[in-house]
Amino acid sequence: LAKTTQPISMDSYEGQEVNITCSHNNIATNDYITWYQQFPSQGPRFIIQGYKTKVTNEVASLFIPADRKSSTLSLPRVSLSDTAVYYCLVVGTGNNRKLIWGLGTSLAVNP
Amino acid sequence: NAGVTQTPKFRVLKTGQSMTLLCAQDMNHEYMYWYRQDPGMGLRLIHYSVGEGTTAKGEVPDGYNVSRLKKQNFLLGLESAAPSQTSVYFCASSPKAAGWTEAFFGQGTRLTVV
Repeated sequence: LAKTTQPISMDSYEGQEVNITCSHNNIATNDYITWYQQFPSQGPRFIIQGYKTKVTNEVASLFIPADRKSSTLSLPRVSLSDTAVYYCLVVGTGNNRKLIWGLGTSLAVNP
Repeated sequence: NAGVTQTPKFRVLKTGQSMTLLCAQDMNHEYMYWYRQDPGMGLRLIHYSVGEGTTAKGEVPDGYNVSRLKKQNFLLGLESAAPSQTSVYFCASSPKAAGWTEAFFGQGTRLTVV
């Protein structure tokens, strides 16, 4: 399973765009890149997944370069409620769907 | 649609006691997982199941047992609780569909072993 590396913490202000980069140098051909958000005392919540290029949904965008060794989660115009821990995972799509979690990035959005 | 429901939400155990945590999902998902999360750490996989009647060990299986007798339920057992098992436990489920990686999590069970 590919290991991921992301910054431990980030600070931002309301209304700014936040980009969190994750490296996954050993990603396999069949792996997807998935991001989750976790608030204190809650279970993680799926944000977005992608395989290559760019994916956008109502919450975020995910940018993946051609070599797929890294990815960037982009949160447009963050608010105080976006303060959370964000996890980047590389997930296989075969019969083994184990999710291996790192420490995540603790994002603090300030007023 | 309740999603993933964990029972109980809170529990205090004495060292050596046993208990079972129940996870129930109503989304007909094939995969189910049990994780523990300790302060300042990411989630660590205890056991998981890829279908009814199957279970497999994760990263930290020692001291825990699991069963998946029904597709919708995944039970986590502690036979003899230890203080090191004080943690927040999360259950999750996900579908088997190809290219689908989203997992749905319960709200967690906060367990304290004294």
